[in-house]
Amino acid sequence: DAGVIQSPRHEVTEMGQEVTLRCKLISGHNSLFWYRQTMMRGLELLIYFNNNVPIDDSGMPEDRFSAKMPNASFSTLKIQPSEPRDSAVYFCASSLSPAGEQYFGPGTRLTVT
Amino acid sequence: KNEVEQSPQNLTAQEGEFITINCSYSVGISALHWLQQHPGGGIVSLFMLSSGKKKHGRLIATINIQEKHSSLHITASHPRDSAVYICAVRERSNYQLIWGAGTKLIIKP
Repeated sequence: DAGVIQSPRHEVTEMGQEVTLRCKLISGHNSLFWYRQTMMRGLELLIYFNNNVPIDDSGMPEDRFSAKMPNASFSTLKIQPSEPRDSAVYFCASSLSPAGEQYFGPGTRLTVT
Repeated sequence: KNEVEQSPQNLTAQEGEFITINCSYSVGISALHWLQQHPGGGIVSLFMLSSGKKKHGRLIATINIQEKHSSLHITASHPRDSAVYICAVRERSNYQLIWGAGTKLIIKP
């Protein structure tokens, strides 16, 4: 198995633009977590899904952020409009269940200028 | 006070030394995770444990539920062990992980 796949690996965009981050889960995993990592705040959970259903989105910073799971193996995290303070590394992780061991993707480094 | 505290924040040691990183937490948990993040940024899950001790190669993780404390040990440390080691606990009441701030480990040859 290729592990969790994220794309793009790096994204540089201008303030106000829409950004879409993508994540492919490990085959057979049912839970998907989106995290954001910054120097100031460390790792923060944004949202997690179980069986394609969003379970807890209390970590999503504001309405500019949205996440979807259109199918069991794929998720997107969208920021519209993006702001410089959104610059961070965004990780997704998948697991067999919400309580299971999480396997992380390589991350997407987002820079908003 | 943070719910998950790691110590030390930074640790520099010579190759071959025995390394201990500590994690204390204040909430009721169902599991504790140790993860490793290399300078390149990737995050790797090392252990998930809820009691006792686990061993994988040169890495050993222990947890004392009564004392709300876990340790990660590295035997015969090597420069490739240089990374940030992160402790995270899963609250018993939900599935959220509460993250420690991480311990930056540097092993000098």
